[in-house]
Amino acid sequence: DIQMTQSPSTLSASVGDRVTITCRASQNINNYLAWYQQKPGTAPRLLIYNASSLEHGVPSRFSARGSGTEFSLTVSSLRPEDFATYHCQQYKALWTFGQGTKVEVK
Amino acid sequence: QITLKESGPALVKPTQTLTLTCTFSGFSLDTYAAAVGWIRQPPGKALEWLALIYWDDDKYYSPSLKNRLSITKDTSKSQVVLTLTDLDPVDTATYYCVHRKITVLPGLTIVDGGLDSWGQGTLVTVSS
Repeated sequence: DIQMTQSPSTLSASVGDRVTITCRASQNINNYLAWYQQKPGTAPRLLIYNASSLEHGVPSRFSARGSGTEFSLTVSSLRPEDFATYHCQQYKALWTFGQGTKVEVK
Repeated sequence: QITLKESGPALVKPTQTLTLTCTFSGFSLDTYAAAVGWIRQPPGKALEWLALIYWDDDKYYSPSLKNRLSITKDTSKSQVVLTLTDLDPVDTATYYCVHRKITVLPGLTIVDGGLDSWGQGTLVTVSS
């Protein structure tokens, strides 16, 4: 099984901050990685696929990079609506999710 | 536009079997490369992948739950059904059905792209 480890588990930030979340795979997953945003009481929303491709309709302040085992998601300037939990997912071999990173108000 | 909606019981007793139905629109599960999966999320916890079914009826299950899971499709009804046997309170979670994002390139190469559509989720509580 491929394990996905996200860090940090919680990130405290302010509006306007640049924030970065990392995700590490237990083995090489090439670029078969997606990022999701989830707000309380709602389903996750696809932000990024294939490690760095922005899903249609997602603001350009979201960006991501990485390949192999190390990946990151960056929000260039946090907006109030970006406070949420972010999940990474590998789809190289079946599907596995990270444990999530909560971005909270500092 | 792709939509998915989960339906099933909100409360089930320990040891019982859970049956959830995903009814979808905006795509057909008999189209080459299409796939639908199930994911769950216990309250306050991480997402957990459960099962996946492809257009050609190929099926995959989470290794930790494969002995308890079954996934089937009814293309004529645009439905996917998940069953989970021998329920325990730890199975309490919101269950989501999801659509796999794909691109089919010339030569029928499938390029996977994450999960682009999610149902609203259905909370299932396991309690006596």
